[in-house]
Amino acid sequence: GAVVSQHPSWVICKSGTSVKIECRSLDFQATTMFWYRQFPKQSLMLMATSNEGSKATYEQGVEKDKFLINHASLTLSTLTVTSAHPEDSSFYICSALPSEHSTDTQYFGPGTRLTVL
Amino acid sequence: QQQVKQSPQSLIVQKGGIPIINCAYENTAFDYFPWYQQFPGKGPALLIAIRPDVSEKKEGRFTISFNKSAKQFSLHIMDSQPGDSATYFCAASKPGYALNFGKGTSLLVTP
Repeated sequence: GAVVSQHPSWVICKSGTSVKIECRSLDFQATTMFWYRQFPKQSLMLMATSNEGSKATYEQGVEKDKFLINHASLTLSTLTVTSAHPEDSSFYICSALPSEHSTDTQYFGPGTRLTVL
Repeated sequence: QQQVKQSPQSLIVQKGGIPIINCAYENTAFDYFPWYQQFPGKGPALLIAIRPDVSEKKEGRFTISFNKSAKQFSLHIMDSQPGDSATYFCAASKPGYALNFGKGTSLLVTP
């Protein structure tokens, strides 16, 4: 089956530092990847849509200069949280949409728990 | 604005019972309706999905019922087990777009 990995699985950082999270599709190519954020006991909220080779599309209220997204290949998208603050502490989850057009199934990564001290 | 409304927020059933989770949507452009299961600290895992041209789909113990005219769909879990205790999310999307998730249902199956 289609597998998506995320690295790291958890990270603790100091306020003001930057953190990079990687999302990889291991056995398929993904032109489009999505980044979600999930606060405790809440649903997944879309942050941005990442398309390979082009700029990401951010949802309203998500600061593009704070959450930098790069999708440089068909199997890798990265999310960098710049100048992280405690309110950025959350569970960040990516999903990947296989490039083949016959499916709408998105495959989710295991998530990255970010804690900003 | 929540594009997919999910209920109930939480549910407790005894082992062997049939929990039912309901979702409703407004956007008629949605044409893909998956259900995800999430355990604490893990990413969501796809359980089952349906398209509007089908009224029911069954995979193992999981069944989706879909009512296109009412813009509603539901998940039934047959013969529920304690291991099914998790949070369940319905979602909807347009082709190639991100998923719009419901708020989730926390299911507890008691022994």
